Amino acid sequence: DGGITQSPKYLFRKEGQNVTLSCEQNLNHDAMYWYRQDPGQGLRLIYYSQIVNDFQKGDIAEGYSVSREKKESFPLTVTSAQKNPTAFYLCASSIGRELTYEQYFGPGTRLTVT
Amino acid sequence: LAKTTQPISMDSYEGQEVNITCSHNNIATNDYITWYQQFPSQGPRFIIQGYKTKVTNEVASLFIPADRKSSTLSLPRVSLSDTAVYYCLVALTGGFKTIFGAGTRLFVKA
Repeated sequence: DGGITQSPKYLFRKEGQNVTLSCEQNLNHDAMYWYRQDPGQGLRLIYYSQIVNDFQKGDIAEGYSVSREKKESFPLTVTSAQKNPTAFYLCASSIGRELTYEQYFGPGTRLTVT
Repeated sequence: LAKTTQPISMDSYEGQEVNITCSHNNIATNDYITWYQQFPSQGPRFIIQGYKTKVTNEVASLFIPADRKSSTLSLPRVSLSDTAVYYCLVALTGGFKTIFGAGTRLFVKA
């Protein structure tokens, strides 16, 4: 079964702790993305990667970091520098390196920081 | 980067056709128009994409007038399961940034 997996589905952390969200895809897609969604809002792009070992900042990259050591994996670390980390985090991938290509989304991770 | 404007919410009844219009006045020559559907606590799902005139697939149609400053997503005979948020976005060919606005919340009633 091809697709994108994100784990865990729910994550709770104390303020001041870093936390890493997992994203894996077995679609053989080149491009991967991380978005953040706040209640009642649209998605905002955090980071994207067009190819292994390369990634670019999106619109709201401050307080986040990523790595792309393998084509299948694009983990996102929410650092203690992120002022309002509580949100719904979505990972996506696409076969092509442009946003005209269809993006396939994972089920999301809901992060709560208290 | 072209900004999109959509109605915040719409109501419909089962079996009706629903048309959601998106305004994108600043669309560039190379931009494509794409629509996604999102259910609560899930990731968005691609519905349809077009550049001009009309595109139809098994779930929806997309109408784009000649000036491309707007587009209309048409959902034929909606059911309760079509209750979701629908996002219109434009994506520049060769570009790598896009904006998901707040979307249109469609509520289908029995």
